[in-house]
Amino acid sequence: DSGVTQTPKHLITATGQRVTLRCSPRSGDLSVYWYQQSLDQGLQFLIQYYNGEERAKGNILERFSAQQFPDLHSELNLSSLELGDSALYFCASSVDLAVSPLHFGNGTRLTVT
Amino acid sequence: AQTVTQSQPEMSVQEAETVTLSCTYDTSESDYYLFWYKQPPSRQMILVIRQEAYKQQNATENRFSVNFQKAAKSFSLKISDSQLGDAAMYFCAYRSDVRSYGKLTFGQGTILTVHP
Repeated sequence: DSGVTQTPKHLITATGQRVTLRCSPRSGDLSVYWYQQSLDQGLQFLIQYYNGEERAKGNILERFSAQQFPDLHSELNLSSLELGDSALYFCASSVDLAVSPLHFGNGTRLTVT
Repeated sequence: AQTVTQSQPEMSVQEAETVTLSCTYDTSESDYYLFWYKQPPSRQMILVIRQEAYKQQNATENRFSVNFQKAAKSFSLKISDSQLGDAAMYFCAYRSDVRSYGKLTFGQGTILTVHP
């Protein structure tokens, strides 16, 4: 168990809808990262927060947004969903921004029908 | 931008044998970290081993070891005495220093099959 909790485990929704994925980092970890893993691609970095502030953005669509709350949990919001958004979404956390490894949650499997 | 390349989409090994997974990366930085993650069928991402670029000594974790060649920008993973439980997708990952805020850049992955 990595200590990173992601909910829900599975999500099935229709095109055009909006969903929210939740992540609770390991106790003591200040940094949260979101990754997307599609079938035909590796892990793509979406966005990163450190202690409540956005620090880095990757290939995140404008339809997607995220935030990190004062209690350090994070939410990834996906709107106007398309079939191509079907993927496994991982949250990872780390203590700092450089030395410590990332610990991953078990992911949320999103299926858009 | 840093890139990570895993040139072996699939590899196979017999149980108890040794297998080496390849990884190369491109960077202009001198300080960075390299990782191997394992993703079994459960899809969980599990850290296998890490290497600090400033360390010349290759990292070892039980049956897992790396061959880190900084000048060649190569970071291969050797799995000794392969076990059925080692079957998984393996990802090589690069992490810069604090300037990139710690995000990992992943290779495309290598699927490892272990034959009994």
